[in-house]
Amino acid sequence: EPEVTQTPSHQVTQMGQEVILRCVPISNHLYFYWYRQILGQKVEFLVSFYNNEISEKSEIFDDQFSVERPDGSNFTLKIRSTKLEDSAMYFCASSERLMGEQFFGPGTRLTVL
Amino acid sequence: GDSVTQMEGPVTLSEEAFLTINCTYTATGYPSLFWYVQYPGEGLQLLLKATKADDKGSNKGFEATYRKETTSFHLEKGSVQVSDSAVYFCALSLPNQGGKLIFGQGTELSVKP
Repeated sequence: EPEVTQTPSHQVTQMGQEVILRCVPISNHLYFYWYRQILGQKVEFLVSFYNNEISEKSEIFDDQFSVERPDGSNFTLKIRSTKLEDSAMYFCASSERLMGEQFFGPGTRLTVL
Repeated sequence: GDSVTQMEGPVTLSEEAFLTINCTYTATGYPSLFWYVQYPGEGLQLLLKATKADDKGSNKGFEATYRKETTSFHLEKGSVQVSDSAVYFCALSLPNQGGKLIFGQGTELSVKP
């Protein structure tokens, strides 16, 4: 059964460093998403991406964040200069169509020290 | 703004007990409603959904009915099993918002033998 994969499963970084979180969506899916969950809080939408463009982003998704689909299979989230409050579980998701079922990856736990 | 509110957890039940997890929403438009489940160490999986008023979503013995008059989408199961132990998330999605999901805070369910 096709699934969304994410790497790494856990990333530890120093404050101010850049991190890139990687996702491989399901191959025939066209819509891609990033969400995050700070420990003990809600899962929050960060950004949606379609046709090589951001289609929607939240107020969390400021200039420190960027997304890219560099090679037609990977979908990445970059945080340019990490802050302590960026520590969270980051989930990637993909869907075949808009408003269709979103399939989630297992998440990357980001710890910023 | 658009939001989802779930009952607080954790919820602890004995095997074969009846389960209800309450979910209410606030939305400016006409949302689609979802229940996602997260088993330990895994990503979120879609459990069921409903796209219009009075629709009933069902899967694996779980049910939820889209109630527009009470803005609710309560999750029910007649007889829970130990394997149902997980975190359950209620979510909504609105048209013209890039497919983003707005989640409730999650309800942890623990089923004891």
